[in-house]
Amino acid sequence: EADIYQTPRYLVIGTGKKITLECSQTMGHDKMYWYQQDPGMELHLIHYSYGVNSTEKGDLSSESTVSRIRTEHFPLTLESARPSHTSQYLCASSEGGTDTQYFGPGTRLTVL
Amino acid sequence: QKEVEQNSGPLSVPEGAIASLNCTYSDRGSQSFFWYRQYSGKSPELIMSIYSNGDKEDGRFTAQLNKASQYVSLLIRDSQPSDSATYLCAVRIGGGADGLTFGKGTHLIIQP
Repeated sequence: EADIYQTPRYLVIGTGKKITLECSQTMGHDKMYWYQQDPGMELHLIHYSYGVNSTEKGDLSSESTVSRIRTEHFPLTLESARPSHTSQYLCASSEGGTDTQYFGPGTRLTVL
Repeated sequence: QKEVEQNSGPLSVPEGAIASLNCTYSDRGSQSFFWYRQYSGKSPELIMSIYSNGDKEDGRFTAQLNKASQYVSLLIRDSQPSDSATYLCAVRIGGGADGLTFGKGTHLIIQP
């Protein structure tokens, strides 16, 4: 069973606001990921990290940024939210050397 | 051509019957294959992983992989109403960004 947490679970904000979506895991997993999922659509990888101080962009271009200062923490930041950022954001982690990913509960973001 | 293809459904199966879900992928270099279950409004939950050709069984679930034909399937025996969900096929595509490539999912409905 994976222990991975995301906060907030739901967020409604106005255009232009800066937001940070939090993701933490307690398994000591090296690899962490952020996916974006619109309703009824597939998940798209937007960021990933191999470990501390490692961040990479995923297949889907995103205006968000991430950081990995601690193994257990992988926050995602939007400097200026827009309605086009409305989506569900899913954080996942996996052990180094495996591809099996475990997902957090997700953050549903609505930008008005 | 999409890299991971699934029939979006809905697939309707009577309670107690076998549900068969299929997935095809385009990258012959893919090595890791996963099935996730996603209830509406929730995050994906890992059901099974499979890495080698053949069948892998776990309880009521059986994953089947055929790398030559580039397809992976999931069988659910003795289907229960609680199995009603969207089933996501995910593939670790060879090369490119780390992370999984997901299909859109098949919406499964188990009829009582």
